[in-house]
Amino acid sequence: DIQMTQSPSSLSASVGDRVTITCRASQSINSYLNWYQQQPGKAPKLLIYAASSLQSGVPSRFSGSGSGTDFTLTISSLQPEDFATYYCQQSYTTPVAFGQGTRVEIK
Amino acid sequence: EVQLVESGGGLVQPGGSLRLSCAASRFTFSMYWMCWVRQAPGKGLEWVANIKQDGSDQYYVGSVRGRFTISRDNAKNSLFLQMNSLRAEDTAVYYCARVMEQQLARLNYYGMDVWGQGTTVTVSS
Repeated sequence: DIQMTQSPSSLSASVGDRVTITCRASQSINSYLNWYQQQPGKAPKLLIYAASSLQSGVPSRFSGSGSGTDFTLTISSLQPEDFATYYCQQSYTTPVAFGQGTRVEIK
Repeated sequence: EVQLVESGGGLVQPGGSLRLSCAASRFTFSMYWMCWVRQAPGKGLEWVANIKQDGSDQYYVGSVRGRFTISRDNAKNSLFLQMNSLRAEDTAVYYCARVMEQQLARLNYYGMDVWGQGTTVTVSS
């Protein structure tokens, strides 16, 4: 099974900061990597699919990059509504696997 | 608005059974793979199972294989998860989600683009 590892597990940042979250797969998954945002008490929301494609309706301050085993989610200018937990997920093969999550907190 | 609404959660004793339902609306349900994802209290997301558009293929995470069964009724726009032999570690919020497919450079990519609000399953004596 493919394991997904995110770093950091949590971070503190201020509004307007540039934030980067990384995700590493235990083997190559090409570009079969998605990113989700989950706010407390709510369902996850798809942000990025195919490693770098922005899901419809998602603000352009979110971007994704990477291929193979190493991926990055970047928020170019953190907004108040972006304080949440972010998960990567591989869709290369079953079992589907999520990273453990990265919590973005207010500094 | 495209919508998924789960129901059927509750408190059940270890070893018991529960059937979750997910009602889909405002999209052509039969055209999509569907899945269940769960989240234990204070923990991350865990994929549970997938089912193909016509129900002919199903896939499960190892910890539920043989105990859980995913199914669907396309005529009723509904997804189900039959959970048997429940354990304390199955306690979680269970989400149903639609699996979208996008073709890029002749390759098909998949993501969970519509989610329900979740239903809570608690396994405890």
